[in-house]
Amino acid sequence: EPEVTQTPSHQVTQMGQEVILRCVPISNHLYFYWYRQILGQKVEFLVSFYNNEISEKSEIFDDQFSVERPDGSNFTLKIRSTKLEDSAMYFCAIHSGGAYNEQFFGPGTRLTVL
Amino acid sequence: TQLLEQSPQFLSIQEGENLTVYCNSSSVFSSLQWYRQEPGEGPVLLVTVVTGGEVKKLKRLTFQFGDARKDSSLHITAAQPGDTGLYLCAGDSGTYKYIFGTGTRLKVLA
Repeated sequence: EPEVTQTPSHQVTQMGQEVILRCVPISNHLYFYWYRQILGQKVEFLVSFYNNEISEKSEIFDDQFSVERPDGSNFTLKIRSTKLEDSAMYFCAIHSGGAYNEQFFGPGTRLTVL
Repeated sequence: TQLLEQSPQFLSIQEGENLTVYCNSSSVFSSLQWYRQEPGEGPVLLVTVVTGGEVKKLKRLTFQFGDARKDSSLHITAAQPGDTGLYLCAGDSGTYKYIFGTGTRLKVLA
């Protein structure tokens, strides 16, 4: 099973500040995904990223959000100006590379916006 | 908009009992995954079902994909306290994004 790590595990920030969440796959992958889960709610798709381009994004992923793979390994999610409602667990996922689109999730980053 | 509804939302049972969790949609999915999530952690993949009518077993867990690939069920036989957790189904619409279900929180009492 592919492994994914995420940093930081917990991020506390003030409203209006920029945050960068990082995802580090253990082995080389091409497909990356970001999901978020507001406390007590369901997991929601944000964006998929393939070959250094966004493949698909949800209505949640507005202009405040951006993704990139700056050094060919880390995969980052940036929120430019955080809002209170951005407080959530953010999960990175990678595609297994197998015949089916099996996605393996990282441990998540808990973002708290004050 | 594709939706996946899970039922029941909450389930509290005694050790040794059997249970079934349902995942329903009006949409067709190319595959469906079941995950288990512990508090403060990421979802952990349990199984993927792909073919309509497919049944997969994972020890005491039995997963079934509906014939029309719109629904799925998870059956646990002789539940144990270690089965306690949040069970999530997630459908792949074929566009490489998952639609997650609303989740079923299971508690198994010793």
